[in-house]
Amino acid sequence: EDKVVQSPLSLVVHEGDTVTLNCSYEVTNFRSLLWYKQEKKAPTFLFMLTSSGIEKKSGRLSSILDKKELFSILNITATQTGDSAVYLCAIMNYGGSQGNLIFGKGTKLSVKP
Amino acid sequence: EPEVTQTPSHQVTQMGQEVILRCVPISNHLYFYWYRQILGQKVEFLVSFYNNEISEKSEIFDDQFSVERPDGSNFTLKIRSTKLEDSAMYFCASRENGNIYGYTFGSGTRLTVV
Repeated sequence: EDKVVQSPLSLVVHEGDTVTLNCSYEVTNFRSLLWYKQEKKAPTFLFMLTSSGIEKKSGRLSSILDKKELFSILNITATQTGDSAVYLCAIMNYGGSQGNLIFGKGTKLSVKP
Repeated sequence: EPEVTQTPSHQVTQMGQEVILRCVPISNHLYFYWYRQILGQKVEFLVSFYNNEISEKSEIFDDQFSVERPDGSNFTLKIRSTKLEDSAMYFCASRENGNIYGYTFGSGTRLTVV
């Protein structure tokens, strides 16, 4: 059975700290790994990773994928209170699917002032 | 920026009743999805829809559920004979052909079955 495991499940930091969120997976026919930020409602897209070792960056956020060890990390530097959210990792695989996503449980990040 | 629109934002229904959750995907998108998230749990895939038919469904999507694209803009999820455990946030998503980056979620409908 396809599986996506995120750790930690929750994390409390102070503004300015750097955090690393983890996502490991076991899926057949891996296609891509996606990171989303979920604040109040809809997940909003952060990154999509398809190739190993290529870092994706967007401002203070960055992510990288290791397809050999089957994991990805999401880094957030100089955290701000606005980074407080649940961060979701999801896998898209090939096969019969039309791009449906398999999600992990998420990491709830709380950034204190 | 184009959005996926879901209505209503919150629906309360009596157990055993039927509900229809509505979604308006982004206009040039061809793939449509429903996901649900029970409070405190992970987002789960329900069904994908392409070319006016279901392309894949999960084990959750049993005979109680159905989807429809009744016209050129709406995409609906019908839940018959609702149960307490159907209470969840239901997300619609859509994407255009060939562009996985364009996968966009709606803001969700919170369904509460009482």
